[in-house]
Amino acid sequence: QKEVEQDPGPLSVPEGAIVSLNCTYSNSAFQYFMWYRQYSRKGPELLMYTYSSGNKEDGRFTAQVDKSSKYISLFIRDSQPSDSATYLCAMYDFNKFYFGSGTKLNVKP
Amino acid sequence: KAGVTQTPRYLIKTRGQQVTLSCSPISGHRSVSWYQQTPGQGLQFLFEYFSETQRNKGNFPGRFSGRQFSNSRSEMNVSTLELGDSALYLCASGTDTQYFGPGTRLTVL
Repeated sequence: QKEVEQDPGPLSVPEGAIVSLNCTYSNSAFQYFMWYRQYSRKGPELLMYTYSSGNKEDGRFTAQVDKSSKYISLFIRDSQPSDSATYLCAMYDFNKFYFGSGTKLNVKP
Repeated sequence: KAGVTQTPRYLIKTRGQQVTLSCSPISGHRSVSWYQQTPGQGLQFLFEYFSETQRNKGNFPGRFSGRQFSNSRSEMNVSTLELGDSALYLCASGTDTQYFGPGTRLTVL
């Protein structure tokens, strides 16, 4: 079993839709959770960073961590074509990072 | 603050050759990690350096090596290149989160 599981998609939504991206994980010791956005042929860009459980909001983006279910989510409100990218979740424990395989999102105008 | 920089951005080599990639972390960051990203395997961790010492290592053959200098800049070397080494090589700096550079796209012919 992989440490972090993420549905690869692709996920296609119309402009303005609410997007939900999810990851599950197996290691209950993870405390730090991140979401990255990666445009084609670019490096991943840090979008959201949360510590432990709870919600964090930044503009149109909300990151949610449910440690009891070992499940994290990223919500994008009012999605735009410029949000079309691959989204990777990541977790950190004892100097090591664990990345999901990424979900490819396409927002259609 | 300047971000993570990587040079060169693109590289074409032939099988059997060796290659050296360079990374400059964000100023003040002492940890530098290297990742290989391919469409089939996603983001795979190569190794991490902290204060010139390799702190973590992924499951890559010994042909992949790295080092870090006293100014935190890091280099990654791949010897005896194989076709399967064609990938985007990403450098990241940071301890409890990762800030990625733009990557070096290596093509092995």
